Amino acid sequence: GQQVMQIPQYQHVQEGEDFTTYCNSSTTLSNIQWYKQRPGGHPVFLIQLVKSGEVKKQKRLTFQFGEAKKNSSLHITATQTTDVGTYFCAGYMNRDDKIIFGKGTRLHILP
Amino acid sequence: KAGVTQTPRYLIKTRGQQVTLSCSPISGHRSVSWYQQTPGQGLQFLFEYFSETQRNKGNFPGRFSGRQFSNSRSEMNVSTLELGDSALYLCASSFGGLGYEQYFGPGTRLTVT
Repeated sequence: GQQVMQIPQYQHVQEGEDFTTYCNSSTTLSNIQWYKQRPGGHPVFLIQLVKSGEVKKQKRLTFQFGEAKKNSSLHITATQTTDVGTYFCAGYMNRDDKIIFGKGTRLHILP
Repeated sequence: KAGVTQTPRYLIKTRGQQVTLSCSPISGHRSVSWYQQTPGQGLQFLFEYFSETQRNKGNFPGRFSGRQFSNSRSEMNVSTLELGDSALYLCASSFGGLGYEQYFGPGTRLTVT
């Protein structure tokens, strides 16, 4: 069946280092959404990418959508302790009106 | 604008019992979707309601059901609870459906003993 794989599952970085999480879909996506969930919290919407090859930036966060609309990445530059949490991608397929969440990447920041 | 609210926040039930969870979406949002979150399986889609109609359903047994009222508030029911149903149940509302940004509620933590 359709899958959205996210890697890595966990990532420990020193504060100030960069961080990247990758999302890969088995099928072409209509759009991809990214969410952040702080420990003990609920997912919070970060951004939606729709166009092939799209790149969007939010301060230190850079989001990319692949040319084939099957993969995406989230890159955080110079991580801070406030970046701690789990980052989820969610692939949406318009044809089936279906959304599939990746299992998330849990980011730990070492001071 | 008030966010998505869910009640109750915590619940402890016994195997075999049934449970009803409630979700109030953001004002103006007609889509409410439900998710089960567990450490092992991540976020799994249960179903989505839009203007009182179920539009989508995930791969969960028939013990999981839901409904939506005319004011867009939604309820989720799980009958004959099993230990494996212990999870965080999240609802999310959106303006247009699954292809739009989802606003999640704080969740209901269900523990089945």
